Amino acid sequence: GAGVSQSPSNKVTEKGKDVELRCDPISGHTALYWYRQSLGQGLEFLIYFQGNSAPDKSGLPSDRFSAERTGGSVSTLTIQRTQQEDSAVYLCASSSTGFFGELFFGEGSRLTVL
Amino acid sequence: AQTVTQSQPEMSVQEAETVTLSCTYDTSENNYYLFWYKQPPSRQMILVIRQEAYKQQNATENRFSVNFQKAAKSFSLKISDSQLGDTAMYFCAFTPNNDMRFGAGTRLTVKP
Repeated sequence: GAGVSQSPSNKVTEKGKDVELRCDPISGHTALYWYRQSLGQGLEFLIYFQGNSAPDKSGLPSDRFSAERTGGSVSTLTIQRTQQEDSAVYLCASSSTGFFGELFFGEGSRLTVL
Repeated sequence: AQTVTQSQPEMSVQEAETVTLSCTYDTSENNYYLFWYKQPPSRQMILVIRQEAYKQQNATENRFSVNFQKAAKSFSLKISDSQLGDTAMYFCAFTPNNDMRFGAGTRLTVKP
């Protein structure tokens, strides 16, 4: 597709379960980002992938969160042993030029932890 | 700490009028980029306007312009001739280092 695609668009899970969120960036974009948007809050930076460089994981809130990017394209954000405070919209964005250029966002994955 | 503050959680404006959204930030860096992003009710975030900190001239994109005051660390967005389609959340963001930091957003409603 032409834009950033995220799946699932909505996910409801029980506390303690693991979830995987997927992001397909725009073809050819070397940079990929994950953000978390909680109700009434701005975007919280989670992780940043740039080409073949080691990812910047400085924003991951705990060791229950991890992300990988396979083949420089698709990325998966995994949350283990989900907690209610993990409920949020998880946004993925990609860019051809890194943080100094325009980020193209997906529509997000809304996670609800019961 | 490198932070972005949007002090107006909600604003409204009449169609065709002008509105200004405020943003301040804090950084010790000298070179960085500033952005305004718009998030309509459909949820997908899109770039509105971008400003390089080393440029003194304020960026302009059609009805959108910024007032960048580097010494004051202020980066406000002016929307002229507001349209119903401008109704959205607006986020100010900047890139002091290797990440992009966002403010909490301002919910703008354009009234007919």
